[in-house]
Amino acid sequence: AQSVTQLGSHVSVSEGALVLLRCNYSSSVPPYLFWYVQYPNQGLQLLLKYTTGATLVKGINGFEAEFKKSETSFHLTKPSAHMSDAAEYFCAVSDQGFQKLVFGTGTRLLVSP
Amino acid sequence: ETGVTQSPTHLIKTRGQQVTLRCSSQSGHNTVSWYQQALGQGPQFIFQYYREEENGRGNFPPRFSGLQFPNYSSELNVNALELDDSALYLCASSTRQGATYNEQFFGPGTRLTVL
Repeated sequence: AQSVTQLGSHVSVSEGALVLLRCNYSSSVPPYLFWYVQYPNQGLQLLLKYTTGATLVKGINGFEAEFKKSETSFHLTKPSAHMSDAAEYFCAVSDQGFQKLVFGTGTRLLVSP
Repeated sequence: ETGVTQSPTHLIKTRGQQVTLRCSSQSGHNTVSWYQQALGQGPQFIFQYYREEENGRGNFPPRFSGLQFPNYSSELNVNALELDDSALYLCASSTRQGATYNEQFFGPGTRLTVL
């Protein structure tokens, strides 16, 4: 069975600081990996995805993530946080592309001025 | 282009009742997935419909059932509601081409409270 662990239910950063949200996965087959963002009272929006190929994946809004098979990790980073980045972030894994996504419990990113 | 819409926005039911939640897919999408997001948790996959047939199911009991209509809109039905069914229910639509499943686009969700 696949699973995702997100370390830290809350992460606080100052505006302009580096954002690092951690995600470790478990999968018996080569995984598809995703990061989604959820703003209050809204659905989830895809930030980026890893399927095959290049292990450094760039997404929207300046976010990127690196697939590290040896560490079973897919951490999300952004060089400089903006106030508008404050939201809930979910890491997800699948063995069949965009079908049957298995989500982590989420990390709430707080950005202070 | 209209995105994924869900109705109602909020719903309050009592234990033992039945509920129907509705989802309108994004234009051109032929696949609908439903997820349950309990408070403080990530979404959990309930099931997926493709061309009006169930195409995969998560670990949810049979009292969770669904329908997909010819226009690809969908319903989620939950019978014999329990307190633990209180959650945000998310619908996501996408396209499937052969064995390839494309990006899921999520609606804003329906908040169900069971008293």
